[in-house]
Amino acid sequence: GAVVSQHPSRVICKSGTSVKIECRSLDFQATTMFWYRQFPKQSLMLMATSNEGSKATYEQGVEKDKFLINHASLTLSTLTVTSAHPEDSSFYICSAGGVRYGYTFGSGTRLTVV
Amino acid sequence: GESVGLHLPTLSVQEGDNSIINCAYSNSASDYFIWYKQESGKGPQFIIDIRSNMDKRQGQRVTVLLNKTVKHLSLQIAATQPGDSAVYFCAENIDYGSSNTGKLIFGQGTTLQVKP
Repeated sequence: GAVVSQHPSRVICKSGTSVKIECRSLDFQATTMFWYRQFPKQSLMLMATSNEGSKATYEQGVEKDKFLINHASLTLSTLTVTSAHPEDSSFYICSAGGVRYGYTFGSGTRLTVV
Repeated sequence: GESVGLHLPTLSVQEGDNSIINCAYSNSASDYFIWYKQESGKGPQFIIDIRSNMDKRQGQRVTVLLNKTVKHLSLQIAATQPGDSAVYFCAENIDYGSSNTGKLIFGQGTTLQVKP
């Protein structure tokens, strides 16, 4: 079946620094990937839709300059949290696929900003 | 619509009993729905899906019911086991049809606790 690999699984960074999270589709090509954020004991909130070769589409209230998304190939999307602050600490999850073949999720990245 | 930041409700059941988890979705144009199971610290795991031209779909020990009139989904788990303990989310696909890669919006979620 379809596999989505997300890296790193955990990261701790200092306030003010930037962190990059990678999302790879291992056995299929993904023209579209999705990035979610999940706070403890809450649901997944869609942040943005990542489109291969074009700009990402951000959900309302998500700062595009803070959460930079790059989808340069059909198998890789990256999310960079710029100038991270403690309130950015969260569980970030990517997804790839669609209705035809199903949505597959990565294992998530636990970001802690200290 | 988007899921709001509410804390998850909890359903507690005895091992061996059947579980029913409910979900209300928001967009009447959504026509593809998925149930996911999420264990602590992991990404969501697919359980079962259903398209809007159906009102019931069965899998192994799980059944999903769809009521489009009231925009309601339910997940039934038969003979619930301790390994079923997790958080369960429904998700609705928006923009289905034109591209087959519409965005997936998650519902509130329910924590299922199975007592041995």
